[in-house]
Parts: sequence; C-alpha cells; structure tokens
Amino acid sequence: KAGVTQTPRYLIKTRGQQVTLSCSPISGHRSVSWYQQTPGQGLQFLFEYFSETQRNKGNFPGRFSGRQFSNSRSEMNVSTLELGDSALYLCASRLTQTGLFTEAFFGQGTRLTVV
Amino acid sequence: AQTVTQSQPEMSVQEAETVTLSCTYDTSESDYYLFWYKQPPSRQMILVIRQEAYKQQNATENRFSVNFQKAAKSFSLKISDSQLGDAAMYFCAYRSYQGAQKLVFGQGTRLTINP
Repeated sequence: KAGVTQTPRYLIKTRGQQVTLSCSPISGHRSVSWYQQTPGQGLQFLFEYFSETQRNKGNFPGRFSGRQFSNSRSEMNVSTLELGDSALYLCASRLTQTGLFTEAFFGQGTRLTVV
Repeated sequence: AQTVTQSQPEMSVQEAETVTLSCTYDTSESDYYLFWYKQPPSRQMILVIRQEAYKQQNATENRFSVNFQKAAKSFSLKISDSQLGDAAMYFCAYRSYQGAQKLVFGQGTRLTINP
C-alpha cells in the first residue's frame, strides 16, 4: 500500500513568486492536513481538508491557501513568497475525519527555500 | 488554545540504556489524545505511541512506554534498551477528541544514541 506522496521533494523559489505543493494521500483516506515546520516556530498546522472542503484553518495569512480534489489529492499554494516561508511543508492523511481515533500518516515533506 | 511544551531540546543516551523524554501540555478539554512522533533524518513523521486521555493505563509499545499524569498534564516517553535506530527528533503532540483534528506539537527533543 503506497504511503503519502508529496511532490516535489525540494523547491527553490524567489521572493514574490508563488508556489504550489502537491500531496497524494493513502488510497481511501479522505482527510488531508498540512503543516509547516521551521526551526524557529516548529510544527504549525496550516489547514485540513475533508471531502474537498476546508474544515479547519491555522493562523496563517491569506497568502496560504489550499484545495482538495475529488480523488482526495490536495494542493497548497503560497502566493507572494517571503523569505520566512522557507520551511519543510508536511502533509498528513487520515482515513476519516470523525472523533474516533484514526492515525495520521505523514509524507516526507517538501523542502521549500525562498531566496 | 492548547499548548505543548518539551523542555529538553537535546538528550543523549548510551546504546542499550533507558532514556525518558519529557512533555507537558495545557488544555481545558477533558477528552483528547496525546502522541509521541519520531522524525528521523528522512523527515517523515512516524507515530511511536498514543495515549487516550480517558484511559488511566499507560500505553506501551514494545520498548516504548509513556507515563501519563492527567492531573499534572504531563506525558513522558520512556525508551528502554535504546538502539542506534532510535536516534531522531521526537515530538510530543496533542489532538482534541472531537472538533478540530489538528495536531498541536511541542518543539521537539533531539535524541542522540551513543554506541
């Protein structure tokens, strides 16, 4: 069974540009969450999607957006990139979004460097 | 809002010895999950162990066990018979039982295993 796949693995962008990151969840998983990991702020929740709808959003500016497709694949977009957006972006998928425990499986992340 | 604190940025242990990683958290909720995740150099977050807050019995997974003190809001991880493959960043994380399913992470503890 394939795990969570994030593409690309590495990305270098220039300030002011925009970027799109992709996450393919484990087959059958309908919940996808995104996290930003930086040395200074640690791991911070960006947003969660379930059945193509954003269910929860973290405290990030509107430059950060996302979407989920009917096959549960998700993309996140960052517009007008800033140096501080340099981070490891992790995606996690879960089988269901209910309160019952279901494990979140993480991808290997996309390392974004803004220069 | 929930917060998770890991006060040990780095820990080291001799191979085959036992090490305990500390974690405290703050929440007003009565039902929740607590987790320890491992992040090796491959960057992929791996679930090590979880604890449901309503369970008084401490969770155990092979060489990994937790000491869950609900009243003190403390959740430590004990690794017995440490192995070289245990070297990684370890993150303590909190998730609500219902509502927002986001993970709230601590800052992490880098564990080094000395041969």
